[in-house]
Amino acid sequence: AQSVTQLGSHVSVSEGALVLLRCNYSSSVPPYLFWYVQYPNQGLQLLLKYTSAATLVKGINGFEAEFKKSETSFHLTKPSAHMSDAAEYFCAVTLSGGYQKVTFGTGTKLQVIP
Amino acid sequence: KAGVTQTPRYLIKTRGQQVTLSCSPISGHRSVSWYQQTPGQGLQFLFEYFSETQRNKGNFPGRFSGRQFSNSRSEMNVSTLELGDSALYLCASSPRLAGDHEQYFGPGTRLTVT
Repeated sequence: AQSVTQLGSHVSVSEGALVLLRCNYSSSVPPYLFWYVQYPNQGLQLLLKYTSAATLVKGINGFEAEFKKSETSFHLTKPSAHMSDAAEYFCAVTLSGGYQKVTFGTGTKLQVIP
Repeated sequence: KAGVTQTPRYLIKTRGQQVTLSCSPISGHRSVSWYQQTPGQGLQFLFEYFSETQRNKGNFPGRFSGRQFSNSRSEMNVSTLELGDSALYLCASSPRLAGDHEQYFGPGTRLTVT
């Protein structure tokens, strides 16, 4: 079975500052990992995904994440926060192979302070 | 391509009633997954349908059921509604099984049980 932990339900950063959202996973086999973003009153939108290719994954809107097997982490970063980045971010994990359900973290709400 | 659509967007029901929610996936997508999102529990996986067959199921009581039609459209039914069923219900589609590919989410149906 797999699980995912997001540290910090709320994160505040100043506009222009580094964004770091933490995600740790637990998996018995190589995982697939995803970051999704949810804006108010909307569904989730894929930011980026890791499927065992390059460990540094670049996504949309300037976000990227690095898969670190030794730390079982997949933290999301962005060098410079923008007001439009204010949203809730979800890390998700599944096991490769298709017939596996996707497990989501509890989410981190990002506040960007002007 | 049109995105994932969910109907209705908002719904108010009384305890004890039943409700049916509808989801139309992106054209060509064969997998439809359903999630329940609440402030306290986050995103909880309900079930996934692929080619009209339920492939995965989460830990929800039998009051929650679903089905998928030959055109990949899916419905979710909740019988004997309880106050705790108030939530945002999200549908997500994928061209392959959700465990093998990213998912595309609809805007959700906001269900309020009074």
